[in-house]
Amino acid sequence: QVQLVESGGGVVQPGRSLRLSCAVSGFSFSTHGMHWVRQAPGKGLEWVAAISYDGNDKYYVDSVKGRFTVSRDNSKNILYLQMNSLRAEDTAIYYCSKGRSGSWCSDYWGQGTLVTVSS
Amino acid sequence: QSALTQPASVSGSLGQSITISCTGTSSDVGGYNYVSWYQHHPGKAPKLMIYEVSNRPSGVPDRFSGSKSGNTASLTISGLQAEDEADYYCSSNTPINTWLFGGGTKVTVL
Repeated sequence: QVQLVESGGGVVQPGRSLRLSCAVSGFSFSTHGMHWVRQAPGKGLEWVAAISYDGNDKYYVDSVKGRFTVSRDNSKNILYLQMNSLRAEDTAIYYCSKGRSGSWCSDYWGQGTLVTVSS
Repeated sequence: QSALTQPASVSGSLGQSITISCTGTSSDVGGYNYVSWYQHHPGKAPKLMIYEVSNRPSGVPDRFSGSKSGNTASLTISGLQAEDEADYYCSSNTPINTWLFGGGTKVTVL
């Protein structure tokens, strides 16, 4: 069955960096776009970034442009989110999700990993 | 880019029908047929309930249905069940290949 497992979350000081990983199984990773979505405490879902199946196209929400980088390793079935210059407002649960082919939606999601930015 | 607009909460009794609205603009909801709806129980992975305005993934009960008129999309839950109590989010793509979510609607089953 399809599985997405995020890791790499934790507590980090403002201005520091963190890299999240999302290990996937149960589907052909190299043929699907992938997304990162976050949920700040007490808030709703916010789309963060997307990457095309081959890694050539990447898209970001304005608030993370220039600070976050999405990437993927299709040989290892892993999606990444490199987060630099972290701010308190980046505190959230970060979910990775599988893009549904030919459609702007995600049909499978991970359980999320918590990132806390605090001094 | 502003989030799509959803009511903060909607409630209904067991067996009743409820509708959640999702209002955007002609540049997102109104411009494309890529509106999706997600069910989210806190602490769990979000679940896709409706994609491309009105399509249900396999395994989603047919009491969930979606529609769109102009810049407003809607999710209707017919025959409300206790397990339907959750947060619901709409989403839409945008012309610049980004993704917008609604603020979320908390559904309470009375």
